[in-house]
Amino acid sequence: DVKVTQSSRYLVKRTGEKVFLECVQDMDHENMFWYRQDPGLGLRLIYFSYDVKMKEKGDIPEGYSVSREKKERFSLILESASTNQTSMYLCASSFLLGAGNTIYFGEGSWLTVV
Amino acid sequence: ILNVEQSPQSLHVQEGDSTNFTCSFPSSNFYALHWYRWETAKSPEALFVMTLNGDEKKKGRISATLNTKEGYSYLYIKGSQPEDSATYLCAFNKGTGANNLFFGTGTRLTVIP
Repeated sequence: DVKVTQSSRYLVKRTGEKVFLECVQDMDHENMFWYRQDPGLGLRLIYFSYDVKMKEKGDIPEGYSVSREKKERFSLILESASTNQTSMYLCASSFLLGAGNTIYFGEGSWLTVV
Repeated sequence: ILNVEQSPQSLHVQEGDSTNFTCSFPSSNFYALHWYRWETAKSPEALFVMTLNGDEKKKGRISATLNTKEGYSYLYIKGSQPEDSATYLCAFNKGTGANNLFFGTGTRLTVIP
């Protein structure tokens, strides 16, 4: 079974702090994603990566950056956390990027910025 | 951002009841439709991927149908069990690539024993 692991499940950070959310997948998938889940909204894509050191912006990249130094690891970085970044963050991976390819998700990281 | 609508937002059913809910999406530029089950404190789990108009998929007591011409998919659960309680998400591919996958807000199902 594919395993996508988000190391931090619950975090509380202060406004202005730099925050790292880490994600690791164990299936040698080329593609990795960071989504954000907010009440009343569908999952929104923040960034994705199709290869090591490669990244593409999603729908809501402002205030975020990402890092993919190794194939299995994809980090989401909040350079200076703000209260409007309080949310649930989901990491995901997939083998291919074509339509119809299954995306495998982690269990989510709940971030509260105070 | 493209609109994918799911209805109802939430529902409660008695154990043993059958139920269904809807995912509506734009009928143009259809590539694929995904259904996921998302239990509380767990990761979303893929149920089905459908790519052709008229597709029907089945997994145990859960099945799904697809109408790409009118832009909707139904998810059916036969004889609901408490372990079916979850949020059911649909996602619409309007093309290849991660930027072409759009998620609905989900239907939250609670099955009452």
